[in-house]
Amino acid sequence: DVQMTQSPSYLAASPGESVSISCKASKSINTYLAWYQEKPGKTNKLLIYSGSTLQSGTPSRFSGSGSGTDFTLTIRSLEPEDFAVYYCQQHNEYPLTFGSGTKLEIK
Amino acid sequence: QVQLKESGPGLVQPSETLSLTCTVSGFSLTSYSVSWVRQPSGKGPEWMGRMWYDGDTAYNSALKSRLSISRDTSKNQVFLKMNSLQTDDTGTYYCTRDRPLTTVATPFDYWGQGVMVTVSS
Repeated sequence: DVQMTQSPSYLAASPGESVSISCKASKSINTYLAWYQEKPGKTNKLLIYSGSTLQSGTPSRFSGSGSGTDFTLTIRSLEPEDFAVYYCQQHNEYPLTFGSGTKLEIK
Repeated sequence: QVQLKESGPGLVQPSETLSLTCTVSGFSLTSYSVSWVRQPSGKGPEWMGRMWYDGDTAYNSALKSRLSISRDTSKNQVFLKMNSLQTDDTGTYYCTRDRPLTTVATPFDYWGQGVMVTVSS
């Protein structure tokens, strides 16, 4: 199975700042990486798939990059609603596997 | 709009069988695949298995011997049954809709709210 390693597991930032979250795969997954946002009381939201393609409705301040084994989610100019938990997931092969999450909190 | 809703018992005895139902609306099970994903508290999610739009199934090999996924298209429902439950099966169980892509493996574009399942005597 492909192991997904996310870092950091915890991140504190202020509104208006930019942050980046890393996700590393244990072997090449081409560009097939998705990012999700988890917030209390809401269903999980697909933000980005295939490494850099924004899902419909995802604000343009979110961007994804990377290929092979190294990927990054960048959020520019944080808004208050962006403080949440973020997960990466590879969709290159079965079984589909996820990272352990990054909690983004307000500083 | 697209919705998925999980239902089932919140408490299951060790060694017993878990039965969950995912009721969907806003799309057809014959056009979209649905997966089950679970998440232990404080850990990352785990993909369990998938009901393909054509009725075929795929399972995580780690769970395959205990897991069965089926559906009733007339009721817009997908079912999960997993036997021989243990305490480490405790967690939140989600059904998800698979986002169609040209690749075989796909991400999930809609999630249910999840149902918390505790395995305890």
